[in-house]
Amino acid sequence: DAKTTQPPSMDCAEGRAANLPCNHSTISGNEYVYWYRQIHSQGPQYIIHGLKNNETNEMASLIITEDRKSSTLILPHATLRDTAVYYCIVRGQAGTALIFGKGTTLSVSS
Amino acid sequence: EPEVTQTPSHQVTQMGQEVILRCVPISNHLYFYWYRQILGQKVEFLVSFYNNEISEKSEIFDDQFSVERPDGSNFTLKIRSTKLEDSAMYFCASSVGTANYGYTFGSGTRLTVV
Repeated sequence: DAKTTQPPSMDCAEGRAANLPCNHSTISGNEYVYWYRQIHSQGPQYIIHGLKNNETNEMASLIITEDRKSSTLILPHATLRDTAVYYCIVRGQAGTALIFGKGTTLSVSS
Repeated sequence: EPEVTQTPSHQVTQMGQEVILRCVPISNHLYFYWYRQILGQKVEFLVSFYNNEISEKSEIFDDQFSVERPDGSNFTLKIRSTKLEDSAMYFCASSVGTANYGYTFGSGTRLTVV
């Protein structure tokens, strides 16, 4: 089972920042936090991952708290195409598979 | 940008028939995965494959399922005797490494068992 807790749904206005929270209070020191999204019934899409430092790429930023018990995915300027289910996943030791939970359904509206 | 390619995009099969779903992972990736998603449900892990053997599998991946990398490019999932409840989207994924690498997923094969 997934080791993370996410709100089931969130809304965001187009052009505004979308901040998606995730709790992972039982994360261990060698576990990474991964974010994926799934648009409609397409294959999941990798967004970003991190261990303890904040990370940024062309899609999003990942903010991990100092105690690593929670994180926030930030889409700086949400568009309608960002409407999707967003999954926060804690990845176990090397070789263990990604396990998806129910995620957060983000709805971006104009 | 490199892609994971899955074929066919949609397959309809009769209950009890064998079906093979095909995937071409990204060429320099070493780890391969199959997932499935029943309509309206979450994405479920089936199996991971590395160095020509299964490295991890879920409870779903029972004796009816098998995986193979028959050549240097293809990665297949076989369901020996399909059941109605096997109807789902099946996603293949690949990655360069494990803990510090993301997966690239294909666009999926929609399997309908009738």
